[in-house]
Amino acid sequence: QSVLTQPPSASGTPGQPITISCSGGSSNIGSNHVFWYQQFPGTAPKLLIYRTTQRPSGVPDRFSGSKSGTSASLAITGLRSEDEADYYCAAWDDTLSGFWVLGGGTKVTVL
Amino acid sequence: QLQLQESGPGLVKPSETLSLTCSVSGGPTNTFYWSWVRQPPGKGLEWIGFVHYGGTTKYNPALQSRVSMSIDTSRNQLSLHLKSVTAADSATYYCARASVQEFSRGGGAFYYASDVWGQGITVTVSS
Repeated sequence: QSVLTQPPSASGTPGQPITISCSGGSSNIGSNHVFWYQQFPGTAPKLLIYRTTQRPSGVPDRFSGSKSGTSASLAITGLRSEDEADYYCAAWDDTLSGFWVLGGGTKVTVL
Repeated sequence: QLQLQESGPGLVKPSETLSLTCSVSGGPTNTFYWSWVRQPPGKGLEWIGFVHYGGTTKYNPALQSRVSMSIDTSRNQLSLHLKSVTAADSATYYCARASVQEFSRGGGAFYYASDVWGQGITVTVSS
């Protein structure tokens, strides 16, 4: 069972916006930055958002991250077929001397 | 361009030690931190730990008693050892560079996020 809670699935039609939520606690999302990873089937995860809101070079600006309290969100505006993938949130947890915790992943389907 | 490649046995017997190597090319291992993450079949990602060439390590508390990591800078390789494996350790194992440094005010220490990943290696624990 994952420490961070994500919906197992989300879907939308091309061009629509979708938002993926990630719920945690005061020792992880409430205290530290949130990171998001994108993973296509059979491939390694790719860093999509770092430091809650920052995009690595090459990540389209239709992806954005935000945080409020102990919850975070990944928004995709203008959904495209190539965005169909699994998305994972991650945050550092300050308990037990610190360790990474992750969400169970959200599968995004483009209808 | 930094590339990482995991290698090791694809099948390990229960109670034995799982040993993996990650070969790094396109950059040195005597910089940054380096991490290992695993993903059981059909499930989510689980952080195993990270290691620095200077010897500093940080492990997932759930695996701490069974895991060890190291770096051989002369070979530009990372190593992961997980002992006393069971079927629950069957997963795809990824190595990654953890170059995104952050400071945890709550914990009073730095931590490192993975940004460049290897393609992963699937390991099955079975007799």
